Amino acid sequence: NAGVTQTPKFRVLKTGQSMTLLCAQDMNHEYMYWYRQDPGMGLRLIHYSVGEGTTAKGEVPDGYNVSRLKKQNFLLGLESAAPSQTSVYFCASSNTGAETQYFGPGTRLLVL
Amino acid sequence: GENVEQHPSTLSVQEGDSAVIKCTYSDSASNYFPWYKQELGKRPQLIIDIRSNVGEKKDQRIAVTLNKTAKHFSLHITETQPEDSAVYFCAALNDYKLSFGAGTTVTVRA
Repeated sequence: NAGVTQTPKFRVLKTGQSMTLLCAQDMNHEYMYWYRQDPGMGLRLIHYSVGEGTTAKGEVPDGYNVSRLKKQNFLLGLESAAPSQTSVYFCASSNTGAETQYFGPGTRLLVL
Repeated sequence: GENVEQHPSTLSVQEGDSAVIKCTYSDSASNYFPWYKQELGKRPQLIIDIRSNVGEKKDQRIAVTLNKTAKHFSLHITETQPEDSAVYFCAALNDYKLSFGAGTTVTVRA
């Protein structure tokens, strides 16, 4: 099992550009999450999903959209990137939502 | 929502000594408390967790304690080794969502 994978590993964007980050898991987990990690601030929840076809807002959802069309994939979109979205983005998944979350390797995003 | 505070933000210990990291949470409905270790450039990895119906859990050199009344929980690492150097995050689970502390950078001096 690959566990949780993320694509791409690193990306540079110009302000105003758009992009989609892909998260995939092969553990048949119901719950999936997107976090951003900034220095000194830990991990903050952007959006999450409790099952295929569902999405919900987390702590810092503004400027991001998500979709969960397939159970194994969770996409994070930035429609118009801003420098404040420079961060490391982690995806995670969990079987029941009340258990351990397993993290992907992260995507480092730089917005110029 | 849940608010998790973590202290200290940095911790330097001599190899072989113990390290203690403390966290407090605000929502008494939180019922699951994992600890993650993150090495530089890597993903957070679970090292130990505890549920609200348990007061203490131990796994080799690592232990976690939970005080539900006071709403705080702690990570204890004994006999620290150089490979314990990393950033450690506590978290609290509430309504399927984890809230993380800001992290503690642990440095083990040889």
